[in-house]
Amino acid sequence: DTAVSQTPKYLVTQMGNDKSIKCEQNLGHDTMYWYKQDSKKFLKIMFSYNNKELIINETVPNRFSPKSPDKAHLNLHINSLELGDSAVYFCASSPQTGRGEQYFGPGTRLTVT
Amino acid sequence: GDSVTQMEGPVTLSEEAFLTINCTYTATGYPSLFWYVQYPGEGLQLLLKATKADDKGSNKGFEATYRKETTSFHLEKGSVQVSDSAVYFCAPNYGDKLIFGQGTELSVKP
Repeated sequence: DTAVSQTPKYLVTQMGNDKSIKCEQNLGHDTMYWYKQDSKKFLKIMFSYNNKELIINETVPNRFSPKSPDKAHLNLHINSLELGDSAVYFCASSPQTGRGEQYFGPGTRLTVT
Repeated sequence: GDSVTQMEGPVTLSEEAFLTINCTYTATGYPSLFWYVQYPGEGLQLLLKATKADDKGSNKGFEATYRKETTSFHLEKGSVQVSDSAVYFCAPNYGDKLIFGQGTELSVKP
């Protein structure tokens, strides 16, 4: 009965590769998010989608491309991975945009070597 | 722009000690205010919230009061437990997004 799930939990890859992280929520929420948490625990929003429509696109390199095939899924594809992309990526969902109550997934730890 | 400042960590306390983690935010409009907690190796969980001035949010013995006059939302707990060891994030909600503070790591020793 996991509410927000992410796969994979760990991802180790080399510079220059392309990788994807998947997120699914079974809460029936309309809004989903991607966050990046760095090694100092600083958490920054990257994207948000509301019912498959892009709402927030922060200053993120265009190597990062989110895709929402339906409102229960929000995937993150990263091209040409760089060392600085190493971080923990969290997916979250919310009943609707503008609500601060967000439900987070367990995170994907990406390590780029 | 919109921002939030939290007390720097790490904070180390003995079990049953009193906890305060300070949080102040920029006063753009009237954001709803949230505290989230992140236990080791996990995602963030909502701890408590307050949506208007003078509201007090509370959960699991933690409390925070929305102070509009001082633009603050300090987190308090009267008696911490080892199981409270985690990173705590203050987060005002501005429009479509939460702005997270830098997080305060709490370590409670037996």
